Amino acid sequence: DTEVTQTPKHLVMGMTNKKSLKCEQHMGHRAMYWYKQKAKKPPELMFVYSYEKLSINESVPSRFSPECPNSSLLNLHLHALQPEDSALYLCASSHPSGDGNEQFFGPGTRLTVL
Amino acid sequence: AQSVTQPDIHITVSEGASLELRCNYSYGATPYLFWYVQSPGQGLQLLLKYFSGDTLVQGIKGFEAEFKRSQSSFNLRKPSVHWSDAAEYFCAVGPGSYIPTFGRGTSLIVHP
Repeated sequence: DTEVTQTPKHLVMGMTNKKSLKCEQHMGHRAMYWYKQKAKKPPELMFVYSYEKLSINESVPSRFSPECPNSSLLNLHLHALQPEDSALYLCASSHPSGDGNEQFFGPGTRLTVL
Repeated sequence: AQSVTQPDIHITVSEGASLELRCNYSYGATPYLFWYVQSPGQGLQLLLKYFSGDTLVQGIKGFEAEFKRSQSSFNLRKPSVHWSDAAEYFCAVGPGSYIPTFGRGTSLIVHP
């Protein structure tokens, strides 16, 4: 199984809502990533978990809260978002290091904040 | 610090024509190089990767790329483009898979 799954595919939320994005992989990867991507732009790294520990937080606002409950799951909890947070949110996984190990990306969650 | 330059924001080709997408990188050591493709509203899919060995790398969907250390380039090529190749293409460089740096992307438009 070389797939990263993400749910939901689409999410519309108001600025006062609380929602969560979910990501799952069963490739045995011990690094998992959250990216934010605006249209026609490259993915912007938000968070990296390595062996279920948060290793990188790219100065992301606290209204985004990541969680890694186990080695296969990654969540992104959303609260009090702003309209400018509307974007495609991509999850990826990989081996944490070593040669020849690329990132595997999920299909993304299209988030719209009203 | 590592960086990637994709000088072309858009490339337009006719179906059946050949394609070359340019990628230049800056990296202090031997780079790990990747090309990803992204169809609208989808995630990124790996086309090919280079770590060492043969500098001409074959990928999926008929794509290939050539690593040229002297030019710090890793250009993506396809001999005959299909309409389904229309997408966004990202070149990336990194020390392995951990935190690669992505280029800004090149949008490929295919005319029938």
